[in-house]
Amino acid sequence: DTEVTQTPKHLVMGMTNKKSLKCEQHMGHRAMYWYKQKAKKPPELMFVYSYEKLSINESVPSRFSPECPNSSLLNLHLHALQPEDSALYLCASSQDYYEGYSSREKLFFGSGTQLSVL
Amino acid sequence: KNEVEQSPQNLTAQEGEFITINCSYSVGISALHWLQQHPGGGIVSLFMLSSGKKKHGRLIATINIQEKHSSLHITASHPRDSAVYICAAPFNSGYSTLTFGKGTMLLVSP
Repeated sequence: DTEVTQTPKHLVMGMTNKKSLKCEQHMGHRAMYWYKQKAKKPPELMFVYSYEKLSINESVPSRFSPECPNSSLLNLHLHALQPEDSALYLCASSQDYYEGYSSREKLFFGSGTQLSVL
Repeated sequence: KNEVEQSPQNLTAQEGEFITINCSYSVGISALHWLQQHPGGGIVSLFMLSSGKKKHGRLIATINIQEKHSSLHITASHPRDSAVYICAAPFNSGYSTLTFGKGTMLLVSP
C-alpha cells in the first residue's frame, strides 16, 4: 500500500462551522505534512509532524489545528475559517524527517481535500 | 535567496512530440524533486535525484549539480501527460522541507 488517503475529497463549510480533514497512510512513514494550495499556485507548507510530534508550524493561524493521534493518522481541525482559506489542502508523508539535513526523502501526497468556505 | 525557477510556465504540444521542462535553483542542494499534478488533483512524486539521470517509462529527469539545473523530458507525449509539472528543492536550513517552483502547465493535444 503506497497510498496517502484523504477524506473528504470536497468540503463546503460556513465561517461558524467546525470541521475536520483526515489523512491516513499505512506505509510506516514517520513524517506527515499538511500543505495548502491555492489555484494556480504551488503548495505552501503548513505543518510537519515527525514521530507524532509537531516539528514545524509555518505561522499558521490558530483556526487551523493539527492533530496526530498515531503514526498513521493526521487530522486538521478547522474552526471559524475565512473565505480566503478556501483552497486545496494536501497531506503528504515521507519515511522520515531530518532536521539539519537537506531532504532526501521522497514525498507521497494524497489527492487533497478541496475546501470552500462560504 | 533560495529560489526555484521553472520554464516555460505554459507549454502546448501535439501528441508524440518530445517535451522538455527546465528548472534552475539558486544555491546548492542535495536532491531535487519532480512532481506531477493533474487538474484538481493530488500530487504524484515522479523523481527525486541528486546526480546524473533517472528514467521511468517515457519520463527522463536529469540534473547538473554544478550548473544548478535540472530538466524533465517526456518522450512520445500523450494527452494523458497533460498536467502541471513542478520541481522542488530542499533549501530550508535545519528543516527537511521543500521550496516549490511555480509549475509548468503542459497541454498535449491529440
